[in-house]
This record gives sequence, structure tokens and C-alpha cells, in this order.
Amino acid sequence: EAGVAQSPRYKIIEKRQSVAFWCNPISGHATLYWYQQILGQGPKLLIQFQNNGVVDDSQLPKDRFSAERLKGVDSTLKIQPAKLEDSAVYLCASSVATGGYFGPGTRLTVT
Amino acid sequence: GNSVTQMEGPVTLSEEAFLTINCTYTATGYPSLFWYVQYPGEGLQLLLKATKADDKGSNKGFEATYRKETTSFHLEKGSVQVSDSAVYFCALNPTQGGSEKLVFGKGTKLTVNP
Repeated sequence: EAGVAQSPRYKIIEKRQSVAFWCNPISGHATLYWYQQILGQGPKLLIQFQNNGVVDDSQLPKDRFSAERLKGVDSTLKIQPAKLEDSAVYLCASSVATGGYFGPGTRLTVT
Repeated sequence: GNSVTQMEGPVTLSEEAFLTINCTYTATGYPSLFWYVQYPGEGLQLLLKATKADDKGSNKGFEATYRKETTSFHLEKGSVQVSDSAVYFCALNPTQGGSEKLVFGKGTKLTVNP
């Protein structure tokens, strides 16, 4: 069974630029999550999708972050404009209620 | 609110030493509890879990018991190996079968020396 795929693995941008991350969850997993992991901290949930609908985006900074999952499969997370404090690893996960299934993450550095 | 507190790291042990990483939680309901591991350069992997009080999760020689009375889920291993060097995260899912969000602790870095 293929795991959760994410790209790119690394991204370096300047502040005020925009960036997008892509995630392909495990086939058949209806629930998809984006987490932000700042260095030295545990992951923090940004947004949860059920199929192509948003279940919870209460911790998503909506003035600069957006996410979509148009066909209920792949998802993209966008930051525009980026700030220095957005430097983190962005993790995509699917179906974590019973545990498991995180992608390798995208490490974003904002300079 | 819901939160997880882990012992501060880093933890450095010699091979074959006994490992304990403390984890306590605060939750309003009856959470499920998890330990995740993140090896260098890799993504988070589920190590073990427990879904109700007194359950013991175990995997790869690691164990943790869900203690409702002390709101704890301490991770233990009797004899660590160099390959166990990683960052360990304690986490909870606040509800059973409902919302599937995970709340994580800050992580504890373990280094095992030969």
C-alpha cells in the first residue's frame, strides 16, 4: 500500500512570497489533514477535510493560508504572503483517528 | 482544553539501557492515546496506541499503559538500541469515533549511543 505523498520536500522562499504544497493521501482515505510542525514543537492541526469538504479549519490563519481538496483526493495548501514565522514542516496525513499515515512533510524556510 | 505534556529532552542513553519517556494529558472526554516516532529525515510513524483506560499498547519492544487515574501514558522499553534514536511524540485524540484531530506533545528526542 502506497503511503501519503507530499511535494516538494523542501522549499525556500523570501517573506511576502507565495508557496503551495501538494498532498496525495492513501487511496480510499476520505479524511485528510494538514499539520504545521514548528521546530522543537509537536504538530498542530491546521485543517481537516472529509472528502472535499472542510470539517475544521479553526486553527488555519485564513488571512494568508488557504487549502483545497477539489475532487476529494489530492489537496493543496497555499501560503500567501509568507511570513518568517511560517517556517516549519507542513505535514499531510490521512485517517489518523486510529493512528498512522503521515506523509514525509514539506520543510519550508522563509527568509 | 485538551493538551499533552511530555518530559523535556533530549534523552541520551547507552545501548541496552531502560527507557522511560513520561507523558501526561488533559482531556475533557475519554481520549485515545498514541505514541508516534519520527526517525531522522522521515515522517511521523505510529508506534503504539491505547483507546481506553488500562489498555496497554505495545510495538517493537515499546509499551505504554493508559492510566486514567494519573492521566498518563508513559512510554517504556526495557533495552534500547542505537536504531531507536528518534524523536518521540505523545498524542491524544480527544473523542472516541468522532472528531479525528490529534493533539501532540512537544516531542522528546532520544539518542542511544553504542
